Amino acid sequence: GENVEQHPSTLSVQEGDSAVIKCTYSDSASNYFPWYKQELGKGPQLIIDIRSNVGEKKDQRIAVTLNKTAKHFSLHITETQPEDSAVYFCAATPYGNNRLAFGKGNQVVVIP
Amino acid sequence: DTAVSQTPKYLVTQMGNDKSIKCEQNLGHDTMYWYKQDSKKFLKIMFSYNNKELIINETVPNRFSPKSPDKAHLNLHINSLELGDSAVYFCASSRGTSSYEQYFGPGTRLTVT
Repeated sequence: GENVEQHPSTLSVQEGDSAVIKCTYSDSASNYFPWYKQELGKGPQLIIDIRSNVGEKKDQRIAVTLNKTAKHFSLHITETQPEDSAVYFCAATPYGNNRLAFGKGNQVVVIP
Repeated sequence: DTAVSQTPKYLVTQMGNDKSIKCEQNLGHDTMYWYKQDSKKFLKIMFSYNNKELIINETVPNRFSPKSPDKAHLNLHINSLELGDSAVYFCASSRGTSSYEQYFGPGTRLTVT
């Protein structure tokens, strides 16, 4: 099955700086890559996703890039704000399979 | 206007008891899931139902039994609770088995003492 690795496990950034989280996956058949944000005491919230027919997708201050050759995808958060502090999860799944394989999560701390 | 809701939010119980967690979604989705999040925040799928039919059943002890009375509801019943069952359980839903956007509920924190 799919195996997703997520790095780094913890990331601290100054408010206003950028944060980048990188994930690697093992199954070359994977073609859907969502990112979830989980705030303390809440459920994971889908914030952006990308499918394998595109290399980059942007939504305001967040963007996701995908490199299918290297089997990695990254989440970029620009102009970080304190409310961006949360645990971020990447996931991957092959076409036609709704069994999401999650990374272990990344704690992002934005320092005011 | 909650999309995916779960009850209860917190559940504290003793070993050996039987308990249920309920989930409802008002998104009109056909597929629902149960995930377990352990103390290290790792999210792992347990079950998935599509139109009341079980389609994913991970290697979960048979003390865990999901039940879907209709496609808007997916409940999780746990028999003979053990200490290791302590975790946060999340319900999620998606439009179908080929649509990938999964929307999560707020979670149920289960503590077994």
